Amino acid sequence: ILNVEQSPQSLHVQEGDSTNFTCSFPSSNFYALHWYRWETAKSPEALFVMTLNGDEKKKGRISATLNTKEGYSYLYIKGSQPEDSATYLCALHTGTASKLTFGTGTRLQVTL
Amino acid sequence: DVKVTQSSRYLVKRTGEKVFLECVQDMDHENMFWYRQDPGLGLRLIYFSYDVKMKEKGDIPEGYSVSREKKERFSLILESASTNQTSMYLCASGPPGNQPQHFGDGTRLSIL
Repeated sequence: ILNVEQSPQSLHVQEGDSTNFTCSFPSSNFYALHWYRWETAKSPEALFVMTLNGDEKKKGRISATLNTKEGYSYLYIKGSQPEDSATYLCALHTGTASKLTFGTGTRLQVTL
Repeated sequence: DVKVTQSSRYLVKRTGEKVFLECVQDMDHENMFWYRQDPGLGLRLIYFSYDVKMKEKGDIPEGYSVSREKKERFSLILESASTNQTSMYLCASGPPGNQPQHFGDGTRLSIL
């Protein structure tokens, strides 16, 4: 079983703060890296699918970078808002039948 | 929008019962997946299917089976439910290749 790790496990920031979290994975197994946002009582929602080393993707105030050689990806949130409160999951795709191996997630709470 | 529908949000069953969790998707996706989510463990893949009547074991298939008689429907079966199968179960679907998965809202299953 592949080891996909996320840190920190949880994070508590105030509205307006910028924050970032990490996903690390075995670089030898890399095919793609997925990021999802999972809000309470909703279904996980895809944020990004990243495939190229050095790739950077952006969606509003959220962006992500990828380093496939050293096996990590960062997710950044600029100017956090309460609606950003969610668990952020990364998942490694190794190219085998669209299977994903998920990390345990970073739980973000943004307060006023 | 892609819709993945799970038959129940909450379900309570007794030890030893045979339990069926149903999942239907409306986007003609080839791939379908069943995960369970437990605190501190992240999403773990139970089974997946890449075509009608095809199935593959995920990381934790023991105690479960699946059925995919039609492309849009993927059923998870707990042959004889046990208390350690109390969990949140998530169904997902997706096209082949490197595309994001689309998730249902989850079924919170309690085995008493």
